[in-house]
Amino acid sequence: QQQVKQSPQSLIVQKGGISIINCAYENTAFDYFPWYQQFPGKGPALLIAIRPDVSEKKEGRFTISFNKSAKQFSLHIMDSQPGDSATYFCAASMGGSYIPTFGRGTSLIVHP
Amino acid sequence: ETGVTQSPTHLIKTRGQQVTLRCSSQSGHNTVSWYQQALGQGPQFIFQYYREEENGRGNFPPRFSGLQFPNYSSELNVNALELDDSALYLCASSPRGGGERNYGYTFGSGTRLTVV
Repeated sequence: QQQVKQSPQSLIVQKGGISIINCAYENTAFDYFPWYQQFPGKGPALLIAIRPDVSEKKEGRFTISFNKSAKQFSLHIMDSQPGDSATYFCAASMGGSYIPTFGRGTSLIVHP
Repeated sequence: ETGVTQSPTHLIKTRGQQVTLRCSSQSGHNTVSWYQQALGQGPQFIFQYYREEENGRGNFPPRFSGLQFPNYSSELNVNALELDDSALYLCASSPRGGGERNYGYTFGSGTRLTVV
């Protein structure tokens, strides 16, 4: 059973465009929702994270939007750059365990 | 501040053999987690170690086992290797407690295991 569903599987965006990746979760006990960025040959790196008591969090060009009632959250990358080309994973974890459950990932390609 | 280091970076084993992967946690981190990442998939949680004891386990058989040492480094052992064990094995360290940012893991670059 996949607890965190991520879409799309792949995404191609032009430089300067907006990249949007969506995730949905099932377990209402999740209370921490991080996004990870992974470059080829590297491990995932924490990009930005949100807790369900806020609906949006912004860090630079990266924004998480969170809809608790719909059990959905999304990552928006504004002014996408070729250097943003990577695989992005959403994740969710429960308080106390600090063990994230990952989505299947989205391969983002930003064309110059 | 050093990050998480894993060794070896690549490994080829024969089906039925045993393998040991190693991980050195980031300075100041006392919790280590191991993940299996199949090609094109997200990382799957294997287990976590805290204070040298297993502190949570995912849906992996007992032939996947681990250790954590007093310096917080860790080993992942896999016995009776199967072809489906071919994957990138990731180690992540984290501190216990702390602020929101501390909930994030620091991943190593992984060990690419190929079982033939």
